[in-house]
Amino acid sequence: GAGVSQSPSNKVTEKGKDVELRCDPISGHTALYWYRQSLGQGLEFLIYFQGNSAPDKSGLPSDRFSAERTGGSVSTLTIQRTQQEDSAVYLCASSLESSWTGELFFGEGSRLTVL
Amino acid sequence: GQQVMQIPQYQHVQEGEDFTTYCNSSTTLSNIQWYKQRPGGHPVFLIQLVKSGEVKKQKRLTFQFGEAKKNSSLHITATQTTDVGTYFCAGQSNYQLIWGAGTKLIIKP
Repeated sequence: GAGVSQSPSNKVTEKGKDVELRCDPISGHTALYWYRQSLGQGLEFLIYFQGNSAPDKSGLPSDRFSAERTGGSVSTLTIQRTQQEDSAVYLCASSLESSWTGELFFGEGSRLTVL
Repeated sequence: GQQVMQIPQYQHVQEGEDFTTYCNSSTTLSNIQWYKQRPGGHPVFLIQLVKSGEVKKQKRLTFQFGEAKKNSSLHITATQTTDVGTYFCAGQSNYQLIWGAGTKLIIKP
């Protein structure tokens, strides 16, 4: 497709289970970003990838959160031992530029609910 | 740390009234971007401002970047129901994109 694709769109899980969220960026976009948005709140930065490397992991809330990107394309955000406070919409964005100066294209998000 | 303060948090307007949201950074920005997020949707890029004192218009929307490149505003003239949503600014500084908390535009029935 032409846009950023995220899956699953909705995920309901039980506390303590692991979840994986996937992001497929726009073809050719070298930069990829993960954000978290709680209901009615702003965007919380999680991690930024340039190619396959993550120069900025400063936003990951705890060591339960990890992310990887392979082949300079698809990225996976993994949350281990989920907690109720992890419930949020996880947004992925990509940009063509190699720095923070380019327009970000967002996916529709993955809504995570931890029971 | 670096912050971008955005006000107001909410603005209720009658359809046809004007709307303005303001962003103020604690540091000088390289550029500032504006995004709109419709209810239930994802942020969509509106514009990027780069130059000191820059003013750009998109139909009823006017965007300004301050002379010191520390503040910016978005003004919507004669709001319409299609303008409903949350407007975010995001400023670039030191290889980071710093987001404002957003201003939610609510049209009174």
